[in-house]
Amino acid sequence: EEHLLESGGGLVQPGGSLRLSCAASGFTFSNYAMNWVRQAPGKGLEWVSSISGSGDSTYYADSVKGRFIISRDISKNTLFLEMSSLTADDTAVYYCARKDVWGKGTTVTVS
Amino acid sequence: EIVLTQSPAILSLSPGERVTLSCRASQSVSSHLAWYQQKPGQAPRLLIYDASRRATGVPARFSGSGSDTDFTLTISSLEPEDLAVYYCQQRSDWPLTFGGGTKVEIK
Repeated sequence: EEHLLESGGGLVQPGGSLRLSCAASGFTFSNYAMNWVRQAPGKGLEWVSSISGSGDSTYYADSVKGRFIISRDISKNTLFLEMSSLTADDTAVYYCARKDVWGKGTTVTVS
Repeated sequence: EIVLTQSPAILSLSPGERVTLSCRASQSVSSHLAWYQQKPGQAPRLLIYDASRRATGVPARFSGSGSDTDFTLTISSLEPEDLAVYYCQQRSDWPLTFGGGTKVEIK
């Protein structure tokens, strides 16, 4: 079964950093582009970042550009999101997603 | 940035009724549009991709239509388990964007 499991969320102070991980299983990880999508409390979905299957191409929302870095380790079937200069506006549940497979999310609270 | 506008914001209907949700794009996205369902406390689930293709395991009562700037998600006969927020997402251009969502309530 295809599965994504996020980890690394938590409470961080404004200006701090955090690294999210997403472990993929049940499919050939390198064949798929991957995404991070977030959802602030009580709000809608916001696309954050995407990375190509090879990792050569990356894309970011303007709201995180220059602060977040997406990467992947194909040998470990793991997707990452390095987040820095965090603000209260980054407080959200962060989902790791293929187009059709989503993890359950990990919560980031900046306070 | 392509802005997606969903309407209505909230819809309250009885089981068995037909549901029509709208998603309008600020510029053409061709057929690069997906619909997601998010039930309370759960992650989103892909329902429709490429505007009209049903994702694996999605019940036949869900269908998508449209192209360019106007898209529709239809639930042919509402079931109680369809209580959720429905989002459209365009994959035509960067940045990827979501609509604001339509909340479907069951009377």
